[in-house]
Amino acid sequence: IAGITQAPTSQILAAGRRMTLRCTQDMRHNAMYWYRQDLGLGLRLIHYSNTAGTTGKGEVPDGYSVSRANTDDFPLTLASAVPSQTSVYFCASSDSKQGSTGELFFGEGSRLTVL
Amino acid sequence: AQSVAQPEDQVNVAEGNPLTVKCTYSVSGNPYLFWYVQYPNRGLQFLLKYITGDNLVKGSYGFEAEFNKSQTSFHLKKPSALVSDSALYFCAVRDPNTGGFKTIFGAGTRLFVKA
Repeated sequence: IAGITQAPTSQILAAGRRMTLRCTQDMRHNAMYWYRQDLGLGLRLIHYSNTAGTTGKGEVPDGYSVSRANTDDFPLTLASAVPSQTSVYFCASSDSKQGSTGELFFGEGSRLTVL
Repeated sequence: AQSVAQPEDQVNVAEGNPLTVKCTYSVSGNPYLFWYVQYPNRGLQFLLKYITGDNLVKGSYGFEAEFNKSQTSFHLKKPSALVSDSALYFCAVRDPNTGGFKTIFGAGTRLFVKA
């Protein structure tokens, strides 16, 4: 089934460790996004990429980095994890061609706990 | 700046009764408006969208939403609620002119449908 695959599903991480959350899509969407979901705050955009080779900062980019080497993959890296990065992370994609209305397709999420 | 408000943390309805989940937004120009649903431990799923045209839009699972430009609202509705509609609902907005492909989400409203 076409869609977005995220890995790992869940991870417990010691503070200060480096962690990469993986995201792969097979819908050939140009645009990809990383959101974090926290209780009472909804989803907040961390980083996005409108097309391969370009990235941009969202609402809460500090402590995170992304890369977009190709259309399908959009990994999110925490260089040195802190407890406030404990959250559920969602990767999403959308069709960004001219005329597209841009509804998002989401992965199943990666639950990260930083101790 | 774009923003989305969902004034109710939780909405409780009896099965068979109509339901409304409220959403207001603040965006300059003509926004794209969306509703998404999230079931437990799952990613968000697209329900419906308003881009232009008829103010009443219909989506998946019998849901509909009414766009009201003067009140800057986009309330989600369903004539007859089902227990299986119990989930977390997110309103979202995208400004195609200034926001690029970034989508901003409300904090979410939990819908509880009692049998």
